[in-house]
Amino acid sequence: DTGVSQDPRHKITKRGQNVTFRCDPISEHNRLYWYRQTLGQGPEFLTYFQNEAQLEKSRLLSDRFSAERPKGSFSTLEIQRTEQGDSAMYLCASSLGPVASAQGTQYFGPGTRLLVL
Amino acid sequence: AQSVTQPDIHITVSEGASLELRCNYSYGATPYLFWYVQSPGQGLQLLLKYFSGDTLVQGIKGFEAEFKRSQSSFNLRKPSVHWSDAAEYFCAVGPNTGTASKLTFGTGTRLQVTL
Repeated sequence: DTGVSQDPRHKITKRGQNVTFRCDPISEHNRLYWYRQTLGQGPEFLTYFQNEAQLEKSRLLSDRFSAERPKGSFSTLEIQRTEQGDSAMYLCASSLGPVASAQGTQYFGPGTRLLVL
Repeated sequence: AQSVTQPDIHITVSEGASLELRCNYSYGATPYLFWYVQSPGQGLQLLLKYFSGDTLVQGIKGFEAEFKRSQSSFNLRKPSVHWSDAAEYFCAVGPNTGTASKLTFGTGTRLQVTL
């Protein structure tokens, strides 16, 4: 069990550019989550997948954001036409089951810190 | 809608002193409750969780939390703090039904430990 990994760990980009982040969940976990954390705040839910199906999206996820999990393993989060307000830590988590279950613990990766200049 | 309030933004304690971090939640029924810790440059690590049963929950690193339904609280405690406990602590609530999976976090409490 190598844990949840995220790549890159840091990303600096200019406003208007597109960025893509990758998350590799714990291998047997079928649920994968994306959260965003801004300075001084707790993580905020963005979206989650069960296998390759995207089952829930937050209203925080504007149309500039898109997430995929094509084969039910790793996931990517893309932000198009980045804005300075997108600067944040993007966290990925995975779990074996829903929150309301014994297997529902979400394990978090180290995050990708995005800075938009 | 579920929500979490952590009233203390920043707490400073001396090493060896006891610690209590406050968490209040809002949820229509008995929720699933979690405490996570985040050290600088690290991801969130689960300290403990409450699903049902005994309202006093033991976690890792000597932490415990008590669920009090009447006060809608889930406070985190440690009898003797170590310098390595300095970090940010987040309380989170999750739904207790169905397949929903969204966790709602509080804004966190930053713990500073003085030697």
